[in-house]
Amino acid sequence: GQNIDQPTEMTATEGAIVQINCTYQTSGFNGLFWYQQHAGEAPTFLSYNVLDGLEEKGRFSSFLSRSKGYSYLLLKELQMKDSASYLCAVPTSGTYKYIFGTGTRLKVLA
Amino acid sequence: DVKVTQSSRYLVKRTGEKVFLECVQDMDHENMFWYRQDPGLGLRLIYFSYDVKMKEKGDIPEGYSVSREKKERFSLILESASTNQTSMYLCASSPGRDFPNSNQPQHFGDGTRLSIL
Repeated sequence: GQNIDQPTEMTATEGAIVQINCTYQTSGFNGLFWYQQHAGEAPTFLSYNVLDGLEEKGRFSSFLSRSKGYSYLLLKELQMKDSASYLCAVPTSGTYKYIFGTGTRLKVLA
Repeated sequence: DVKVTQSSRYLVKRTGEKVFLECVQDMDHENMFWYRQDPGLGLRLIYFSYDVKMKEKGDIPEGYSVSREKKERFSLILESASTNQTSMYLCASSPGRDFPNSNQPQHFGDGTRLSIL
């Protein structure tokens, strides 16, 4: 079957680094997306990985290992505004559909 | 910037009513999607469309229908609203008709929080 797993909730301190993991099982692979969703708002696109390795975008980086079916989102120098849910999503092979994880709710404490 | 606009942020309807949720995108995207989002269940796909007048069932289509008469507009219809359809509804769009254009992210509207009483 096709499945995505993420931790439900994480807590970290302002200024710290946090790593949010995502494991996936899909038939075929066409990349992996990370989205950020603040409470009551729409998900917004953060990153896309299709090749193994680390992609860096400012304070946010995303890593992919295709052989392990594993990705993580790394957030550095955490700020209060980073408190949000982070969704991992994988397009399903041969269709237009995405599978979304249930999201990881990150709380950043002062 | 891509703009996906949903007609209402909050909506309250009664059981048995026919409910229309409208979504418009301004980036000439081929693909449009309707999801519902519930605590602990994440985003679940209701229907999607990859072209005008084309529609495909998602994972939870029961009790819903859709309409796409124009490329920019995708409507979700609750034929006879029930309390278990109380949820956050999210519309999304993405470019690229031909697979594999799957490296294009989906862009979401602000969502409609629908309550069925």
